[in-house]
Amino acid sequence: DIQMTQSPSTLSASVGDRVTITCRASQSISSWLAWYQQKPGKAPKLLIYKASTLESGVPSRFSGSGSGTEFTLTISSLKPDDFATYYCQQYTSWTFGQGTKVESK
Amino acid sequence: QVELQQSGPGLVKPSQTLSLTCAISGDSVSSNSAAWSWIRQSPSRGLEWLGRTYYASKWYNDYAVSVKSRITINPDTSKNHFSLHLYSVTPEDTALYYCARAGGSDAFDVWGQGTMVTVSS
Repeated sequence: DIQMTQSPSTLSASVGDRVTITCRASQSISSWLAWYQQKPGKAPKLLIYKASTLESGVPSRFSGSGSGTEFTLTISSLKPDDFATYYCQQYTSWTFGQGTKVESK
Repeated sequence: QVELQQSGPGLVKPSQTLSLTCAISGDSVSSNSAAWSWIRQSPSRGLEWLGRTYYASKWYNDYAVSVKSRITINPDTSKNHFSLHLYSVTPEDTALYYCARAGGSDAFDVWGQGTMVTVSS
């Protein structure tokens, strides 16, 4: 199985901050990577697929980059609605990272 | 607008079978451009993909290695839904279970509302 490792596990930030989350794959997955946002009591929501393609309706402050084994999710200017847990997921064999909780500083 | 509506029991006894159904509206389980998955989430295991079914001239299934010996996912074209059967459950199968669609992007773009399943006697 391909292992996905996210860092950090928790991130403390303020509204307006630029936030970056990293995801590493244990072997190359080309660009077959997605990012999800999950809020308490809700299902995950797709933000980005194919490493850098924004899902329809997702604000442009979210962006993704990377290929191979190293990927990043960036929120250019954090909004109050963005405090949540974020997961990466590779979809060559469908494994998820352990999550990064973005909390208020 | 595609929606997935899950149903099934929230409590299952150890050694019995966990069965959940995911009803699809706004799409077809037989679509050539979608795959239908079950995913679970627990504090100990995080988000774990369990398996999928999809139609590409014939029906296919893929299952996670961790559950391959005791899982089936079946489509029902007459009811436009798909189901999960997980056999011989133990307390480690206690989790929040989701159904999800992988559409044209191949990522999970539509999710069910989730069903909390507890395995306990």
